[in-house]
Amino acid sequence: GQQLNQSPQSMFIQEGEDVSMNCTSSSIFNTWLWYKQEPGEGPVLLIALYKAGELTSNGRLTAQFGITRKDSFLNISASIPSDVGIYFCAGQQGTYKYIFGTGTRLKVLA
Amino acid sequence: DTGVSQDPRHKITKRGQNVTFRCDPISEHNRLYWYRQTLGQGPEFLTYFQNEAQLEKSRLLSDRFSAERPKGSFSTLEIQRTEQGDSAMYLCASSPKGPETQYFGPGTRLLVL
Repeated sequence: GQQLNQSPQSMFIQEGEDVSMNCTSSSIFNTWLWYKQEPGEGPVLLIALYKAGELTSNGRLTAQFGITRKDSFLNISASIPSDVGIYFCAGQQGTYKYIFGTGTRLKVLA
Repeated sequence: DTGVSQDPRHKITKRGQNVTFRCDPISEHNRLYWYRQTLGQGPEFLTYFQNEAQLEKSRLLSDRFSAERPKGSFSTLEIQRTEQGDSAMYLCASSPKGPETQYFGPGTRLLVL
């Protein structure tokens, strides 16, 4: 099935560092959702974005809806060990269908 | 806990058997989604319900798959004549009216032997 491109695919960072990841598509989306998933569990919603250019924060997490509506960005500031997991973006295609990204695997070194 | 629940959490079955999974969405969420996730991939959309109406089905949903939401509350996903390629995590998500915010359940992990 179709999946969005996420970058980077994986990253190791030191505790306390800031993290940036992005999601890109050739299609325009109306909504972007960012999720975190841990092994054996369902994705947990982190941030929802509804308008081009929108910048939204949730604690140490900040996400932006790209101006072109074809991309989105997620930043995590001052990473901590519990930030470990897989981060997925999801773009709304059409009215009901969501396309997920390939995921960014984050590992934090204490 | 008032989150999305799914049952069973794990299912092991032999090829050719039928399986059925259940999803209970968050109370009063009128939108319900089913996804499939294989190892190392993001979730892939299968189908969408608004109340009891199934409004969207992915081409991934072959004739062996059927989903229902008879009373607009819980939903079931049935796979008939399972194949080894059906082995995956099956995720359910629900969303309230208004701006889209999908909340996922813990998933049902299916292994077809």
